[in-house]
Amino acid sequence: AQSVTQLDSQVPVFEEAPVELRCNYSSSVSVYLFWYVQYPNQGLQLLLKYLSGSTLVESINGFEAEFNKSQTSFHLRKPSVHISDTAEYFCAVSKAGGGNKLTFGTGTQLKVEL
Amino acid sequence: EAGVVQSPRYKIIEKKQPVAFWCNPISGHNTLYWYLQNLGQGPELLIRYENEEAVDDSQLPKDRFSAERLKGVDSTLKIQPAELGDSAVYLCASSLGVLDEQYFGPGTRLTVT
Repeated sequence: AQSVTQLDSQVPVFEEAPVELRCNYSSSVSVYLFWYVQYPNQGLQLLLKYLSGSTLVESINGFEAEFNKSQTSFHLRKPSVHISDTAEYFCAVSKAGGGNKLTFGTGTQLKVEL
Repeated sequence: EAGVVQSPRYKIIEKKQPVAFWCNPISGHNTLYWYLQNLGQGPELLIRYENEEAVDDSQLPKDRFSAERLKGVDSTLKIQPAELGDSAVYLCASSLGVLDEQYFGPGTRLTVT
């Protein structure tokens, strides 16, 4: 079975500052990794994913995450955040090639302030 | 293209009452998922359908929860009777196939009093 740990439940940050949301996973088999974002009163949206290949993956709105197998991590970063990035971010893991069953972390609330 | 539609968005019921949630997946999506999201937690899978067949319902509390997807399109999740601990957000998601990206609906927030 897989598990995900998001140690930070809330991360406050000022606009235009950099941010890192931490995600660590546990699994005895190869995994796929995902970051989902949930804006208020909306459903979860896929932000980015790692399936194979380059360990650095990017989203269209400036976020990036790096798969680090030795550290079992998939931290999410953005060099300069905007007010509109305020949302809850969930890290998720699934067994590679194993039927798409997602195991989510508890989420990190990113609050961007002026 | 319309996304995953769920109704109602909010529901308040008294304990021991029945409740039902409805989900309409994205057109053409064969795989449908129901998740439970408790406050301060990530979503947890309750059941997954491939067309009309429930292929993973290991996390569904079958004593009070039931689900159906009769024609392989819309799905209904039912709780009978509801308990206080069932207060949560119930999310529906769909994907083209079992290995494809999941698209989530906005969820139904259930409050049991």
